[in-house]
Amino acid sequence: SQELEQSPQSLIVQEGKNLTINCTSSKTLYGLYWYKQKYGEGLIFLMMLQKGGEEKSHEKITAKLDEKKQQSSLHITASQPSHAGIYLCGADQPGNQFYFGTGTSLTVIP
Amino acid sequence: ETGVTQSPTHLIKTRGQQVTLRCSSQSGHNTVSWYQQALGQGPQFIFQYYREEENGRGNFPPRFSGLQFPNYSSELNVNALELDDSALYLCASSSEATLNTEAFFGQGTRLTVV
Repeated sequence: SQELEQSPQSLIVQEGKNLTINCTSSKTLYGLYWYKQKYGEGLIFLMMLQKGGEEKSHEKITAKLDEKKQQSSLHITASQPSHAGIYLCGADQPGNQFYFGTGTSLTVIP
Repeated sequence: ETGVTQSPTHLIKTRGQQVTLRCSSQSGHNTVSWYQQALGQGPQFIFQYYREEENGRGNFPPRFSGLQFPNYSSELNVNALELDDSALYLCASSSEATLNTEAFFGQGTRLTVV
């Protein structure tokens, strides 16, 4: 089965600082998704990347996919307390299965 | 708000009992996926239903079963509950079976097995 390793596991940053979260896959990536979750709540879809080299941005969040490295990164610019939460990457696998990463907990200190 | 509704929001059951969790999908979506999220871990894929048929399954035993109805709402049934089944159960609806393109998640059902 696919494994998606996220790093770091947790992150504490000062408001206004930039940060990067990485997601590395043990298998070929067919589609990479990023979600945000507030503790104990449902997941909020952030963005999906499908092609190597693809980069997408939404407000202050940018995600990139490096297909050769089987890796994706999520970058937040000028972090705000509203960015706090758990960030999860997810990936499609053959057989209509879907795997999530191990998660990165982000705390933003005002 | 995503338009995906799960019920109940919280549930306490005794080991050995059976439980049914419900999910109403977003309008226009024909695919529902279920996930189990233990405390402090990422969600684990249970199975997916597409147009009333099971369309993919993760590594969960047969006592985890599901249904999808003609209106594309779905149920997750768990028999012979075990303490380790305590988790947040999430459902997600999407418009295609093969991709989780912009899948919308419900708020989850927190199940506690005692």
